[in-house]
Amino acid sequence: DSGVTQTPKHLITATGQRVTLRCSPRSGDLSVYWYQQSLDQGLQFLIQYYNGEERAKGNILERFSAQQFPDLHSELNLSSLELGDSALYFCASSPDSKYTGELFFGEGSRLTVL
Amino acid sequence: LAKTTQPISMDSYEGQEVNITCSHNNIATNDYITWYQQFPSQGPRFIIQGYKTKVTNEVASLFIPADRKSSTLSLPRVSLSDTAVYYCLVGLNQAGTALIFGKGTTLSVSS
Repeated sequence: DSGVTQTPKHLITATGQRVTLRCSPRSGDLSVYWYQQSLDQGLQFLIQYYNGEERAKGNILERFSAQQFPDLHSELNLSSLELGDSALYFCASSPDSKYTGELFFGEGSRLTVL
Repeated sequence: LAKTTQPISMDSYEGQEVNITCSHNNIATNDYITWYQQFPSQGPRFIIQGYKTKVTNEVASLFIPADRKSSTLSLPRVSLSDTAVYYCLVGLNQAGTALIFGKGTTLSVSS
């Protein structure tokens, strides 16, 4: 158990819909990272937040947005969903804004868009 | 962040030692080398990290030559449960950059 909690574990929805994925980092960790993993794309970095502020941005689509709240939990919002958005979405956390060691990953949220 | 190159896949048998090499020719002076393991439908898990020479923990060893342009993850006496994808990451996450996982190396261990 990494200490990172993601909900929901599974989500099935239709094209055009909007979903929210939630992540609670390890106790005391200030940084949260979101990754998308699909079969053909591997593990893709989406975005990082540190103590409520955006710190790094990867290949995140404009239809996707994220935020980190004062209690440090984070939400990833996916809108106007397409079939290609079906993937595993992972959240990871680390103590600070610079990656100098270990990222702690959650078990992921599996999104299926029909 | 330095780009990394790893073999796409490797096969081994139980009880063998497995060495996975990662090339990172553009590694910067302050970069660390970190390896992760990922089982199907699970999040990646930190295995080991090093800066130079050799690092060993209860799971693996990491060998880094003096020029640091490559590194080798060594898994002693693998078992079926070591079947997973192994990722090599190099760098520090400076603000404005991204943490990149490559395709990784899929290790298949057979009996």
